[in-house]
Amino acid sequence: KNEVEQSPQNLTAQEGEFITINCSYSVGISALHWLQQHPGGGIVSLFMLSSGKKKHGRLIATINIQEKHSSLHITASHPRDSAVYICAVPSPIIQGAQKLVFGQGTRLTINP
Amino acid sequence: EAGVTQSPTHLIKTRGQQATLRCSPISGHTSVYWYQQALGLGLQFLLWYDEGEERNRGNFPPRFSGRQFPNYSSELNVNALELEDSALYLCASSLFRTLISNQPQHFGDGTRLSIL
Repeated sequence: KNEVEQSPQNLTAQEGEFITINCSYSVGISALHWLQQHPGGGIVSLFMLSSGKKKHGRLIATINIQEKHSSLHITASHPRDSAVYICAVPSPIIQGAQKLVFGQGTRLTINP
Repeated sequence: EAGVTQSPTHLIKTRGQQATLRCSPISGHTSVYWYQQALGLGLQFLLWYDEGEERNRGNFPPRFSGRQFPNYSSELNVNALELEDSALYLCASSLFRTLISNQPQHFGDGTRLSIL
């Protein structure tokens, strides 16, 4: 069973600060997802990455497959970045399909 | 391209009733996944449908069931509702290709089910 641990659980920062959210998992995987959940509940997929680093705007995700660890960074944070950030790893069902196993989420609040 | 759509947005029921939640996947996606996010808990895998069949289910009792229609839309039915069924139910769709892993899942906005 793959366990997914995120830290911190809650994070409050001032606008403009550099944010880091960490995710560790217990078994080998081929890819990891970072998701964003806004207060209304809808989920947006931010990244799916299997190695190295991906960047989208002010968001950067890195993964170290050997160390079973991923980080999500937000540069120049803004109040609109306030959301719950969730990492998820695939747990294979059959070849070609997998269910996602989720971390507990990190609640990020950016104050103006 | 329309995203994953779920209805209704909110649903209020009482204990013992039945609830039906609906999901329309992204056009071309044959797989639909259902997840539950209970208050204070993380997201949990509920069910996976593909090509009209239930292919896998999580650790939930049989009163959680559903179906997938020929147009790949899906219903989640919860019978004999209990208070702890109050949760956000999220649907996700993806392609399913047996030789290609790690297909991204696209999520809807969820249905918030409240049991009184």
